[in-house]
Amino acid sequence: SYVLTQPPSVSVAPGKTARISCGVNLGSKTVHWYQQKPGQAPVLVVYDDSDRPSGIPERFSGSNSGNTATLTISRVEAGDEADYYCQVWDGSSDLVVFGGGTKLTVL
Amino acid sequence: QVQLQESGPGLVKPSQTLSLTCIVSGDSISSGGYYWSWIRQHPGKGLEWIGNIYFSGRTYYNPSLKSRLTISLDTSKNQFSLKLTSVTAADTAVYYCARGGILGHAFDIWGQGTMVTVSS
Repeated sequence: SYVLTQPPSVSVAPGKTARISCGVNLGSKTVHWYQQKPGQAPVLVVYDDSDRPSGIPERFSGSNSGNTATLTISRVEAGDEADYYCQVWDGSSDLVVFGGGTKLTVL
Repeated sequence: QVQLQESGPGLVKPSQTLSLTCIVSGDSISSGGYYWSWIRQHPGKGLEWIGNIYFSGRTYYNPSLKSRLTISLDTSKNQFSLKLTSVTAADTAVYYCARGGILGHAFDIWGQGTMVTVSS
């Protein structure tokens, strides 16, 4: 089955830029990103590789090189501390796949 | 404003059937453009996709759960349901319902989640 690889953890100082990577051999798959804070449901922060839902700050952006997708959080704030998950739809098998998640720590 | 709300027992005995319902408000589950999904999260772990159901009734299931899983729609009540049979402790998790986009397959709306514990 298809596997998405994420680093288990990323640490960043406030005001700096955090980058969270996802996947291997994404090919033509589009990637979505979710933020999950403790005790809360996930929230979509980036969809279709680089689009933001309404209400998501411009500090959140995404990119996809075909091999790796990246969620970039600029000017990191303490409130950004959360788990982040990437997700794709594997059309060849009609399955949804989530990455293992990355815990973002704001130092 | 679209909202999803899970409901169901918080405790299920081993070997029994786990049944959950997701009530949808602010949108019709019969409308096109979206499908309806279940996703779970074991304690302290990542997200695991369970399955999707389209307004046509077509379903897609996680192969690891397929033999025990049924997802169905009730359009009259604007809700969809999950049934997972022969549960074990490994099925203890927070269960989320979510709305997925047909075009991009992103989950834009999530329920708050409901904790289900499998224990005698």
